[in-house]
Amino acid sequence: TAGITQAPTSQILAAGRSMTLRCTQDMRHNAMYWYRQDLGLGLRLIHYSNTAGTTGKGEVPDGYSVSRANTDDFPLTLASAVPSQTSVYFCASSETPFGLAKNIQYFGAGTRLSVL
Amino acid sequence: DQQVKQNSPSLSVQEGRISILNCDYTNSMFDYFLWYKKYPAEGPTFLISISSIKDKNEDGRFTVFLNKSAKHLSLHIVPSQPGDSAVYFCAAARTDNQGGKLIFGQGTELSVKP
Repeated sequence: TAGITQAPTSQILAAGRSMTLRCTQDMRHNAMYWYRQDLGLGLRLIHYSNTAGTTGKGEVPDGYSVSRANTDDFPLTLASAVPSQTSVYFCASSETPFGLAKNIQYFGAGTRLSVL
Repeated sequence: DQQVKQNSPSLSVQEGRISILNCDYTNSMFDYFLWYKKYPAEGPTFLISISSIKDKNEDGRFTVFLNKSAKHLSLHIVPSQPGDSAVYFCAAARTDNQGGKLIFGQGTELSVKP
């Protein structure tokens, strides 16, 4: 099973350009998440969505936007990229956003983004 | 303000010995804790979890211990195998109306030497 698919796997982007990172899941999970991973900082939550049609801000939302038009897709957009957004981005999903076992998050393979 | 901390960035262990990875947290409202394992060029994968109503959870070679009074959890891997070499992240969450927001530690890179 595919689980979570992220695209592209890597990208080099000029500062000031916009870009959308794609994320699709086939598990019919209600909740989806975007994280960035930086050395020494672990994974930090950018935005999340508890169910289709709703989104919320995580720890580091500035410079990013998301939408959740349907259950399966959760794209992350950088409107005007800056070098500090160079990172590895992971999309994740969970069956529900609450509770215990159902809250286990499953991750995609990541998108490595370099902003120059 | 790092609410979940893994103070050891790396750990090296001999094959067959025990690996102990540590994690500390500051928010007493966290009541669910997870460990994820990450290989290079892959996403993190869920390994084991523990609810705050327990102090130990075991799954095969992996055991997680929770000390709520010390706000400390640890992951024990016995016996360690070379395939366990990866970065391990601990994560904490509140299962109340704060939703499924996981707060991750910085990660500990485990190297198991043959």
